[in-house]
Amino acid sequence: DAKTTQPNSMESNEEEPVHLPCNHSTISGTDYIHWYRQLPSQGPEYVIHGLTSNVNNRMASLAIAEDRKSSTLILHRATLRDAAVYYCILSRGNEKLTFGTGTRLTIIP
Amino acid sequence: IAGITQAPTSQILAAGRRMTLRCTQDMRHNAMYWYRQDLGLGLRLIHYSNTAGTTGKGEVPDGYSVSRANTDDFPLTLASAVPSQTSVYFCASSERGKAFFGQGTRLTVV
Repeated sequence: DAKTTQPNSMESNEEEPVHLPCNHSTISGTDYIHWYRQLPSQGPEYVIHGLTSNVNNRMASLAIAEDRKSSTLILHRATLRDAAVYYCILSRGNEKLTFGTGTRLTIIP
Repeated sequence: IAGITQAPTSQILAAGRRMTLRCTQDMRHNAMYWYRQDLGLGLRLIHYSNTAGTTGKGEVPDGYSVSRANTDDFPLTLASAVPSQTSVYFCASSERGKAFFGQGTRLTVV
């Protein structure tokens, strides 16, 4: 399985944009890039996913590098409720997800 | 819409006892999964099922069994619990690349 690399932790100020990086240099052509987040004491929650093109939804944006070896999850305006562990995962279609340790995002009021 | 329902929410279990964690979904998803999450770590896949009637082993299947008699239910059984199975267990289902998780079952084996 192709692996992802994320920083262990990041901090951001409330109401500012947050850019969460993910490296996946061994990604294959059929791997989708998924982002999930896990709020304290809850199960993981789907955030966004994409293949090649940048993607936007109501929660976030996903910027994918042209060579697909890295991607960035963008939270446009962080709130305290966005404090969570964010997981970047590669998966092919409906395949099972393999979680790493993710990035713990702290929002500073 | 309930999504994924897990029961019980938490349980303290004596070592050696048998325990079944229940998971039900109402989204008619074919794929379902069981993960465990130990304190401070990411989720690890225990077992999965791509469709009713089929199951497969994940990363950490030893000591656990599953069944998938129908689309909606995916119970996880610990035949003889051991303290190392103390963890939070998450059930999930997925469709079209999106996975949906339950709220988890916190299991303590003493």
